[in-house]
Amino acid sequence: ILNVEQSPQSLHVQEGDSTNFTCSFPSSNFYALHWYRWETAKSPEALFVMTLNGDEKKKGRISATLNTKEGYSYLYIKGSQPEDSATYLCASSAEGGTSYGKLTFGQGTILTVHP
Amino acid sequence: DAGITQSPRHKVTETGTPVTLRCHQTENHRYMYWYRQDPGHGLRLIHYSYGVKDTDKGEVSDGYSVSRSKTEDFLLTLESATSSQTSVYFCAITRLAEYNEQFFGPGTRLTVL
Repeated sequence: ILNVEQSPQSLHVQEGDSTNFTCSFPSSNFYALHWYRWETAKSPEALFVMTLNGDEKKKGRISATLNTKEGYSYLYIKGSQPEDSATYLCASSAEGGTSYGKLTFGQGTILTVHP
Repeated sequence: DAGITQSPRHKVTETGTPVTLRCHQTENHRYMYWYRQDPGHGLRLIHYSYGVKDTDKGEVSDGYSVSRSKTEDFLLTLESATSSQTSVYFCAITRLAEYNEQFFGPGTRLTVL
């Protein structure tokens, strides 16, 4: 995998449903995996940064896992609420001085939670 | 909030005119970035800077130039704006100590007529 890929591209769920998205990233030269939440007309907001294989992070009803060996991360939302509606971006960064802190972003998963 | 401001926040311009967007940060971060938001593409990197007067191209740099004469300011210039450059532009900084976590400015909505 040369790029960061996210699936699905969009998702519609009912309030109260639990849902999850996938982020696939290059496993070679891996440094960190980032998840962002991006609401319409706002700027992306950092959710999690994960670095170690097997990492799990949690913030309220949202959690994420990381598998660096196979190059994927899952984001889970338990009991979705309409206010969870947003685009969820993942991004990977590579190790090394010439990376200059750059992140490679996926195209995002657009989540819509219907009341 | 990483002390990032962008100006202007909204701009409407005509095809062929030059446009400069400004990103200002107050936390003395070394690395700064300009992205554009496009449906179906998420965020795409235009240019980035790794120090004063040190800049390089991102994946969608054609038609854009940048300058960084001071640590706190990173300018993005559209030399001759085209309708395809209508977008929302985000500036970002990296906190290297936080595994390259990036923090974004509020965005500039640019419309090229």
